[in-house]
Amino acid sequence: DAGITQSPRYKITETGRQVTLMCHQTWSHSYMFWYRQDLGHGLRLIYYSAAADITDKGEVPDGYVVSRSKTENFPLTLESATRSQTSVYFCASSESSGANYEQYFGPGTRLTVT
Amino acid sequence: AQKITQTQPGMFVQEKEAVTLDCTYDTSDQSYGLFWYKQPSSGEMIFLIYQGSYDEQNATEGRYSLNFQKARKSANLVISASQLGDSAMYFCAMREGYGTNAGKSTFGDGTTLTVKP
Repeated sequence: DAGITQSPRYKITETGRQVTLMCHQTWSHSYMFWYRQDLGHGLRLIYYSAAADITDKGEVPDGYVVSRSKTENFPLTLESATRSQTSVYFCASSESSGANYEQYFGPGTRLTVT
Repeated sequence: AQKITQTQPGMFVQEKEAVTLDCTYDTSDQSYGLFWYKQPSSGEMIFLIYQGSYDEQNATEGRYSLNFQKARKSANLVISASQLGDSAMYFCAMREGYGTNAGKSTFGDGTTLTVKP
């Protein structure tokens, strides 16, 4: 499928388990992002990547790990899930870092940690 | 540091009327972009409109326009002729173009718009 996809779309896991959320884009965009959206709030940046093998922390990186071995994929791993990580996770991509470049969002993954 | 403030948690508007959603921002950069996104109840993020910091004219996209007042650091979204399908949450976001924050976006907490028939 063309565009940006996320999997799974819904995930329920237990506290302490490792969880990986997948993100795939078909545009060969350089930049990719992970955000979390807590109920009733805006998006907060977790991690972003400027290119393959280049990643950097965002506003709320604690408890998360990312990797980017290929341009099109940007997985997000919760090493030991906590209830506070229950959220909707959005992946996004952008052609460039320029201020005028739109970010394209995936459909989101709703994660519940019990 | 970048900051976006949306002071209206919820707004109501009558169908076919215009509505303004407020957004103020804070940045020390000269080059930045301002974006509005719509998030319907289905959850996806839909890009609506963009305004560049150097653009002298307000951006327009169909029924959406952005009232950009640079000196006041405000970027309000105006929706004309509201439709029932406009009921959604609306987010204002800013992206800086240079420096350590280049490429990162900051989002406001959103405004929930309800269009009444």
